[in-house]
Amino acid sequence: AQSVTQLDSHVSVSEGTPVLLRCNYSSSYSPSLFWYVQHPNKGLQLLLKYTSAATLVKGINGFEAEFKKSETSFHLTKPSAHMSDAAEYFCVGVTGNQFYFGTGTSLTVIP
Amino acid sequence: SQTIHQWPATLVQPVGSPLSLECTVEGTSNPNLYWYRQAAGRGLQLLFYSVGIGQISSEVPQNLSASRPQDRQFILSSKKLLLSDSGFYLCAWHRGDAGELFFGEGSRLTVL
Repeated sequence: AQSVTQLDSHVSVSEGTPVLLRCNYSSSYSPSLFWYVQHPNKGLQLLLKYTSAATLVKGINGFEAEFKKSETSFHLTKPSAHMSDAAEYFCVGVTGNQFYFGTGTSLTVIP
Repeated sequence: SQTIHQWPATLVQPVGSPLSLECTVEGTSNPNLYWYRQAAGRGLQLLFYSVGIGQISSEVPQNLSASRPQDRQFILSSKKLLLSDSGFYLCAWHRGDAGELFFGEGSRLTVL
């Protein structure tokens, strides 16, 4: 069975410093993986996706993620945090029609 | 382009009252459709999904039900709401390949 684990429930960074949100996956084969962002009382918006092409995936708003098979990881990074990045982030895997959500990481950006 | 609409955006209902949340998708055909619930400060819980008209799979036993009367319409219902039904409900669609889920804007339900 596939699963994803977000290693941090809360992350705080100062504005202008790097962001690292960690996600590990468990799968018997190469999965498709996604990162979504959710602002309060809003739906989830796709940040980026990995579908077995390039291992370094660039997304919207300056975010990127690297698929590392040896570490079964798909961590989300951004070089410089902006106040507008404060939100909930979800790492998601998919097998067929079944989606597997991490429990989410709440990102706080300190001015 | 494809869009997904979900309504109402917010509602406050008394315990024991009925519920109907609607979701429609435009710009695609035969989508896979999903209802998720997000309790306060928690992750997403899959409630129902559908791969076609009249085909509903339930993931969690509860007093909610779902229906798909048309290809691009997905309805979440309850005959009698419980306090525990409060939460943020999200509709989503998927093409059925390895692509991403597309989410609606969500419906905030408060049961008093």
